[in-house]
Amino acid sequence: QKEVEQDPGPLSVPEGAIVSLNCTYSNSAFQYFMWYRQYSRKGPELLMYTYSSGNKEDGRFTAQVDKSSKYISLFIRDSQPSDSATYLCAMSYMHRDDKIIFGKGTRLHILP
Amino acid sequence: DGGITQSPKYLFRKEGQNVTLSCEQNLNHDAMYWYRQDPGQGLRLIYYSQIVNDFQKGDIAEGYSVSREKKESFPLTVTSAQKNPTAFYLCASLWEGDRDGQPQHFGDGTRLSIL
Repeated sequence: QKEVEQDPGPLSVPEGAIVSLNCTYSNSAFQYFMWYRQYSRKGPELLMYTYSSGNKEDGRFTAQVDKSSKYISLFIRDSQPSDSATYLCAMSYMHRDDKIIFGKGTRLHILP
Repeated sequence: DGGITQSPKYLFRKEGQNVTLSCEQNLNHDAMYWYRQDPGQGLRLIYYSQIVNDFQKGDIAEGYSVSREKKESFPLTVTSAQKNPTAFYLCASLWEGDRDGQPQHFGDGTRLSIL
């Protein structure tokens, strides 16, 4: 079983819809969870950074962590065409760890 | 503006040739990292450095070499021993001193192809 599993997509949704992106993981020792957005031919940009279980909200973005199920989610409300990108989940054992484990990324298309 | 600058944006390598990818940061970050990204793959760690003149191998260091002579700079050399070098290479940095800070910040990458 891979450490981090993420559906590669592509996921296409109409503009204005709520988007749900998910990752599962196998190692219960992960404590810190991240979501990065990556536009084509660009580096990843950090969207959300959370510790342990619970929810974190930032504008249109909400990150959820369910450690009991080893499942993390990113919700995007009122999706915009500019949200079209690849979304990478990532996780680590320690705060600002040298070793971050990345998912393969989900390609998201928001249809105008 | 502070940030991480990777150059060149595109690079072509001939068979048997070594090539060097540049990564410079003006964020005063202590730690720097090199990742490789292949289509449909997650990022894989090649090398990282927590301090000047010291660096550690990541998960896929074979065929690569690095140096860290200055805090601002962490160049990556892709040697002829790397048999499948075509990929998108990403450099990242981290400020160890900020306990509440974010995890790694990334540059915009170098795409390496074989001629």
